[in-house]
Amino acid sequence: RKEVEQDPGPFNVPEGATVAFNCTYSNSASQSFFWYRQDCRKEPKLLMSVYSSGNEDGRFTAQLNRASQYISLLIRDSKLSDSATYLCVVSAGFQKLVFGTGTRLLVSP
Amino acid sequence: DTGVSQNPRHKITKRGQNVTFRCDPISEHNRLYWYRQTLGQGPEFLTYFQNEAQLEKSRLLSDRFSAERPKGSFSTLEIQRTEQGDSAMYLCASSMTGLETQYFGPGTRLLVL
Repeated sequence: RKEVEQDPGPFNVPEGATVAFNCTYSNSASQSFFWYRQDCRKEPKLLMSVYSSGNEDGRFTAQLNRASQYISLLIRDSKLSDSATYLCVVSAGFQKLVFGTGTRLLVSP
Repeated sequence: DTGVSQNPRHKITKRGQNVTFRCDPISEHNRLYWYRQTLGQGPEFLTYFQNEAQLEKSRLLSDRFSAERPKGSFSTLEIQRTEQGDSAMYLCASSMTGLETQYFGPGTRLLVL
């Protein structure tokens, strides 16, 4: 079983739609949680950190449920430029990051 | 540009050859990480340095792989006797002690023929 599991998608949505991604993690010692975005053939870039209280950054909202070991990302009012792979990432400390396989999002006009 | 840089960006080699990649982290970052990413997968951790000390190595890092960070600045990753299964994107990231965020370089894409 992978340490971080995500639905690989692709999720095909029209512009303006709301889309949600979920992931689960198996290491209960995980302390830090992130969503990274990766464009085709590019490096991953931090989208946002995820906190137990939930956090929002513009159209993006992330939630963490430590009891269920579950992380979510909600994207509202999808833009064409949101098309990318979204990587769920956990860390047990300030050391290695453990990535999910990524969820591919395709936003169409 | 003060981000993480990696060279070369692309490398094509024949099976059995040795290859070496270089990573230059963000200048004030004392932590440096190497990851490997294959098609359709997320990056997988290979190894990490704090200053010049290599503090953790993944089981993925076979004895054909060696990484160094001799002066606590740039790092090299060498693969000896390359195999076709080594074909992947090799990503370097850096961070500062006490801060969670790792910043990734553009990667070196390796193809072993």
